[in-house]
Amino acid sequence: QKEVEQNSGPLSVPEGAIASLNCTYSDRGSQSFFWYRQYSGKSPELIMSIYSNGDKEDGRFTAQLNKASQYVSLLIRDSQPSDSATYLCAVKGGYQKVTFGIGTKLQVIP
Amino acid sequence: EAGVAQSPRYKIIEKRQSVAFWCNPISGHATLYWYQQILGQGPKLLIQFQNNGVVDDSQLPKDRFSAERLKGVDSTLKIQPAKLEDSAVYLCASSSAGGVSEAFFGQGTRLTVV
Repeated sequence: QKEVEQNSGPLSVPEGAIASLNCTYSDRGSQSFFWYRQYSGKSPELIMSIYSNGDKEDGRFTAQLNKASQYVSLLIRDSQPSDSATYLCAVKGGYQKVTFGIGTKLQVIP
Repeated sequence: EAGVAQSPRYKIIEKRQSVAFWCNPISGHATLYWYQQILGQGPKLLIQFQNNGVVDDSQLPKDRFSAERLKGVDSTLKIQPAKLEDSAVYLCASSSAGGVSEAFFGQGTRLTVV
């Protein structure tokens, strides 16, 4: 079992729709959870972090965490073509090790 | 606040040659990570430093890769000898101490081994 699992996609959504990205993790002791966005040829940039069960909203982005199910998700409302990128789920566990998933490629169709 | 600095940005070498990458983390960040990202995959952790000590190097191919972090600041990652499958982007990231702090990435070094 991979430590952090994501569907590689591509996930295609029409402009203005809600994009839903999912991630599961294996280490129950994980403490912090992050979503990074990576444009082609660029480095990952942090867009959301979440540490407690529930939802965290920031503008058009909502991160959801369910530690019992070991599940993290990212919702992007009113998706824009500029949101087209690969979204990486990252999990911080013991000794501050940060493990990434394979990333989900999102395509927002105008 | 200055970000994570990496050099060089690009490097092309022949197989069996050696190469070194340099990283300067954000000032005050105790934790430094080196990741390898092969095209179409997520970043894979090669080595993690806490100050100048190694915390995790379980996925570092130690027969050819080495890394050091002198004085708990700058770090270098070396490959000797390089193989074709080492072609990837090498990302350096740093983070402050604490379980909730996020990792900030440098621009990466794109290595092509021919």
